[in-house]
Amino acid sequence: DVKVTQSSRYLVKRTGEKVFLECVQDMDHENMFWYRQDPGLGLRLIYFSYDVKMKEKGDIPEGYSVSREKKERFSLILESASTNQTSMYLCASSTKEGTGNQPQHFGDGTRLSIL
Amino acid sequence: KNEVEQSPQNLTAQEGEFITINCSYSVGISALHWLQQHPGGGIVSLFMLSSGKKKHGRLIATINIQEKHSSLHITASHPRDSAVYICAVGGYQLIWGAGTKLIIKP
Repeated sequence: DVKVTQSSRYLVKRTGEKVFLECVQDMDHENMFWYRQDPGLGLRLIYFSYDVKMKEKGDIPEGYSVSREKKERFSLILESASTNQTSMYLCASSTKEGTGNQPQHFGDGTRLSIL
Repeated sequence: KNEVEQSPQNLTAQEGEFITINCSYSVGISALHWLQQHPGGGIVSLFMLSSGKKKHGRLIATINIQEKHSSLHITASHPRDSAVYICAVGGYQLIWGAGTKLIIKP
């Protein structure tokens, strides 16, 4: 089975801190995604990566950056955390044959609170 | 108007009932996905379909491409089916519905 592992289930940080969320997948998937999930809004794509060092902005990239130095690892960075970034963050991966045409495999999520 | 609409938003039913969750979309798609999210966060892919019907155990997913509508059915529902069910439609990227929260009471 595909395993997508997020480094933390719960994280509490302070306003202005630089925050790193890490995600690792073990199935050699080309595509990796970062989403945030807020009540009533569904999943919103922050960034995705289709190859090492390649990235594309999603629907809500402002305030975030990403890094993909190795195929299995995709990091989400909050450059200067703000309270409106308190949310559930979900990482996912999939094979490369059309990002919408392949099932995505999700990690368990990181519930991030910014105080 | 959202491109993917799910109904109902919330559904509470008794164990054993037949459950239907609906998903309507307004964009052209190459595939439609149904996913399940249990309390605690993890999301699991249930189905990916582009036509017709798929069945897995007590879960059945159907899609009508002409009407841009899909349904997820659960037969003989059980409390362990309690979860949020999410519809997503795929083209270049996935467009996500807001989810349907299902509670099955014993």
